Amino acid sequence: EVQLSESGGGLVQPGGSLRLSCAASGFTFDSYAMSWVRQAPGKGLEWVSYISGAGSSTYYADSVRGRFTILRVNSKNTLYLQMNSLRAEDTAIYYCAKAVSASGYDFEYWGQGVLVTVSS
Amino acid sequence: SNDLTQPPSVSVSPGQTAIITCSGDKLGDKFVSWYQQKPGQTPVLVIYQDSKRPSGIPERFSGSNSGNTATLTISGTQAMDEADYYCQAWDSSTVFGGGTKLTVL
Repeated sequence: EVQLSESGGGLVQPGGSLRLSCAASGFTFDSYAMSWVRQAPGKGLEWVSYISGAGSSTYYADSVRGRFTILRVNSKNTLYLQMNSLRAEDTAIYYCAKAVSASGYDFEYWGQGVLVTVSS
Repeated sequence: SNDLTQPPSVSVSPGQTAIITCSGDKLGDKFVSWYQQKPGQTPVLVIYQDSKRPSGIPERFSGSNSGNTATLTISGTQAMDEADYYCQAWDSSTVFGGGTKLTVL
């Protein structure tokens, strides 16, 4: 059974940093690209970042490029999102997601999500 | 433009067919997925690669994609289908539509 479990969320001041983690199990982790998707309170879904199975390719939404870094440690079956220079508009539930295919963006499995609140 | 446009709301009577559209520039050239999200729950993939259903998704859910419009069709809509639905398009990157609230009344 595929399981994704995020951690690391919380309250942070504007300009601060936070690192999210996503522990994965139930599938061959390094064979699949992973993404982070967020959802602001009462709003829709917004894709944040993507990383290939080997970690060699990464992509970012314009809204976070230069501030967020996605990485993975395949030996630990763990995905990360390093978030720097946080802004109020980054407040959201952050989900890690696994695609159906090895390199796609069709997210069949989602974690339960972790709340990040950016506020003074 | 990478923007995807969905109607904010769609209403349907139980047992009838619900159609939710998603419009975007040359959308037919991209893969489209659809997600169902009920209040307080995580999104659920109901259609991927335009028209494929993941395991466990009822046959009443179907999808199509051509030209500038993708469509999610729910045949014989049930009360349990009431939810927000999001389309998503992707090729080398991805974007979500703004979401459609489906009301079954």
